[in-house]
Amino acid sequence: DTGVSQDPRHKITKRGQNVTFRCDPISEHNRLYWYRQTLGQGPEFLTYFQNEAQLEKSRLLSDRFSAERPKGSFSTLEIQRTEQGDSAMYLCASSPSVAYEQYFGPGTRLTVT
Amino acid sequence: DAKTTQPNSMESNEEEPVHLPCNHSTISGTDYIHWYRQLPSQGPEYVIHGLTSNVNNRMASLAIAEDRKSSTLILHRATLRDAAVYYCILRGNAGGTSYGKLTFGQGTILTVHP
Repeated sequence: DTGVSQDPRHKITKRGQNVTFRCDPISEHNRLYWYRQTLGQGPEFLTYFQNEAQLEKSRLLSDRFSAERPKGSFSTLEIQRTEQGDSAMYLCASSPSVAYEQYFGPGTRLTVT
Repeated sequence: DAKTTQPNSMESNEEEPVHLPCNHSTISGTDYIHWYRQLPSQGPEYVIHGLTSNVNNRMASLAIAEDRKSSTLILHRATLRDAAVYYCILRGNAGGTSYGKLTFGQGTILTVHP
């Protein structure tokens, strides 16, 4: 079991550029979650998938954000036209079902200059 | 979502027990109490969870008040590796409004002194 992996671990981009992050959940975990964490704050929920279906999206997920989970395996989170306020740690988590604990990846740290 | 209240920070000495409190006076009957911790530069890590009865696992113990309006995470012998931010989270049961997602607060920063 290799755990939840995220790629890249760090991303520096200029304002206005698009970025895409990838999350590979633990094998056979049908639930996948995205969270965002800014410095000094706890993680904030963004969205989650059960298999390939996106079941809930937070109000934090503006129109510039989109998440996909094709075939119910890995997931991608894309941010279009990045803004400085998007600078944060983006965390992915997975679980085998809603009743189980969530297993988090190491996160992708985004810096928008 | 029901809210939790935790102290901003706590300190402990190595090899001493640590009691991390959490208040959740608006907890509903179907809310589970979850604890996660986040070590520096890592994603959060599940610690323990419970509903009504006290719970023990290899990492910690969870003591839940009889009225369920508060709980305490107990680290029996703190080590330097336990220095982290500890989050107390209420998580609803299937079908509830807080189903699935975790709602983190600011947590308690635990410092462990050698």
